Amino acid sequence: DAGVIQSPRHEVTEMGQEVTLRCKPISGHNSLFWYRQTMMRGLELLIYFNNNVPIDDSGMPEDRFSAKMPNASFSTLKIQPSEPRDSAVYFCASSLGDRGSIEQYFGPGTRLTVT
Amino acid sequence: DQQVKQNSPSLSVQEGRISILNCDYTNSMFDYFLWYKKYPAEGPTFLISISSIKDKNEDGRFTVFLNKSAKHLSLHIVPSQPGDSAVYFCAARIKAAGNKLTFGGGTRVLVKP
Repeated sequence: DAGVIQSPRHEVTEMGQEVTLRCKPISGHNSLFWYRQTMMRGLELLIYFNNNVPIDDSGMPEDRFSAKMPNASFSTLKIQPSEPRDSAVYFCASSLGDRGSIEQYFGPGTRLTVT
Repeated sequence: DQQVKQNSPSLSVQEGRISILNCDYTNSMFDYFLWYKKYPAEGPTFLISISSIKDKNEDGRFTVFLNKSAKHLSLHIVPSQPGDSAVYFCAARIKAAGNKLTFGGGTRVLVKP
């Protein structure tokens, strides 16, 4: 039974480039979450979806960040243009949400480095 | 404004002894609390949870205690094992706000053999 899948695992890019992070949630889960982890701010929620609909994007730092969930099995987090301060580990998580327990299951993360 | 705080950034304990991790929160609307464990280069994994209607939940070596009046919860690991060395996060949810979790800053635990 596959867990949450994220790609790529590592991304190194230059400032100004577009970055796209990908996530496949656990099958049957209807809630999906994007987090960012940094030393300064810890683990912070960026945005979450219920049934593919964005519910709360108050954590998205600025307009350079956007997230989509075109279907129940795929989501993207895009940064355009990227900046060095975006360097962090980005996690995707999914949960049963209203269908059951609220425990979130995390992917392995994408380590983003912007030079 | 940090609504969930873990004031101890690190903890060192001898194998076989008890590890006690603490977490404080400020929002009385939180109704569900969770603990996660995180190894390097991996995502956090769910460990144990507790509803605000309870004051204790136990699962094997792990017990979570909730003191609502003090807005404090703790995780006890007994006995501690070297494989427990990881970063532990507490998290909290407000049901009315949806399924999102607010995480504490984490406590790094080192269990010495």
